[in-house]
Amino acid sequence: DAGVIQSPRHEVTEMGQEVTLRCKPISGHDYLFWYRQTMMRGLELLIYFNNNVPIDDSGMPEDRFSAKMPNASFSTLKIQPSEPRDSAVYFCASSRSELQPQETQYFGPGTRLLVL
Amino acid sequence: ILNVEQSPQSLHVQEGDSTNFTCSFPSSNFYALHWYRWETAKSPEALFVMTLNGDEKKKGRISATLNTKEGYSYLYIKGSQPEDSATYLCAFYKSYNTDKLIFGTGTRLQVFP
Repeated sequence: DAGVIQSPRHEVTEMGQEVTLRCKPISGHDYLFWYRQTMMRGLELLIYFNNNVPIDDSGMPEDRFSAKMPNASFSTLKIQPSEPRDSAVYFCASSRSELQPQETQYFGPGTRLLVL
Repeated sequence: ILNVEQSPQSLHVQEGDSTNFTCSFPSSNFYALHWYRWETAKSPEALFVMTLNGDEKKKGRISATLNTKEGYSYLYIKGSQPEDSATYLCAFYKSYNTDKLIFGTGTRLQVFP
């Protein structure tokens, strides 16, 4: 298996622009998680999906952030409009459901976002 | 608010030294504690999942213990090597009805040759 795939790996954009981050989870995984990593707050959960349905979006910072999972193999995290404080590394992770809460989460390589 | 605290924040050791660090978490409604290893410019990778009080897990030179009654877990590295340099994250599930991990901010380990 190729693991969790994220694109782009790096994104540099200007304030006010729309940014779309993409994730392909591991095939057969029912859970998909979006995290943001910053120096100040470490690894924060933004939102997670179970069987393509958003379950908990309490970590989404504000209305500028939205996430979708139209099918089992694809999810997007969108920021519109982007601001400099959104600069961070965004990770996607996926896991199976059978043995929750013991299930390991498998992380993608992350998208490094810089908003100028 | 659920707090997962890790200490120390960073650690510098010489090759061959043994080291350990701590993860503290709320002891009520405990279900599982995860340890991840995160190398610079890579993504976090799972090391251990621990569920029972008194659990001890081992992978090569790395081992971990769990005390759910007092709310802490220790990670030990015996005979540190430069390739052990990474950030070690712990994360836990507060309750069975929650499917999300709460991560600590990590202990950044640097092993000098």
